[in-house]
Amino acid sequence: NAGVIQTPRHKVTGKGQEATLWCEPISGHSAVFWYRQTIVQGLEFLTYFRNQAPIDDSGMPKERFSAQMPNQSHSTLKIQSTQPQDSAVYLCASSPDSYEQYFGPGTRLTVL
Amino acid sequence: GDSVTQTEGPVTVSESESLIINCTYSATSIAYPNLFWYVRYPGEGLQLLLKVITAGQKGSSRGFEATYNKETTSFHLQKASVQESDSAVYYCALGAINTNTGKLTFGDGTVLTVKP
Repeated sequence: NAGVIQTPRHKVTGKGQEATLWCEPISGHSAVFWYRQTIVQGLEFLTYFRNQAPIDDSGMPKERFSAQMPNQSHSTLKIQSTQPQDSAVYLCASSPDSYEQYFGPGTRLTVL
Repeated sequence: GDSVTQTEGPVTVSESESLIINCTYSATSIAYPNLFWYVRYPGEGLQLLLKVITAGQKGSSRGFEATYNKETTSFHLQKASVQESDSAVYYCALGAINTNTGKLTFGDGTVLTVKP
């Protein structure tokens, strides 16, 4: 069991560029979550898929952020026109039943 | 909204001493909240330490214990005798299993250093 895989581990973008973050959940897990961690805001929930369907995106910023889960083996978080305040560690987690979430190592996004 | 408040760190204790990390929660949007402690050891990812789904119950793992107290809205983490290997960042979290969202609301984390 390789655990939740997130790629890339580090990404540096220039202001205004697009960033796409990838998450491969643990095989057989039906739920995928995205969180963001910053020093100022801490760990914040962004969005949640169950069986590939979007269930709750209440934490997603209304503009520039989108998430998809085109198949059961991966999810993507896309940030358009990145801004310095988007710099954070983005964490993906998967769960077989929502009781226990298994977190990936995170992607550290730096927007210059 | 929902929120979690935990002991501000950093916390430093000596090996074999007892430990308590306080956690209180406010669950305004969840009728029956569930409570979790997650831990991040140096160089590792966030992992579940223990969970309690029902108020009044106690969870335990790796020598740590936490009791879900609905009256005081608390879920303090305790250990009778810490080890150097317990040095890590500890996060208290609030969730709502079996509702339409499985999202977790985290506290700010408490950095624990155990001195040998």
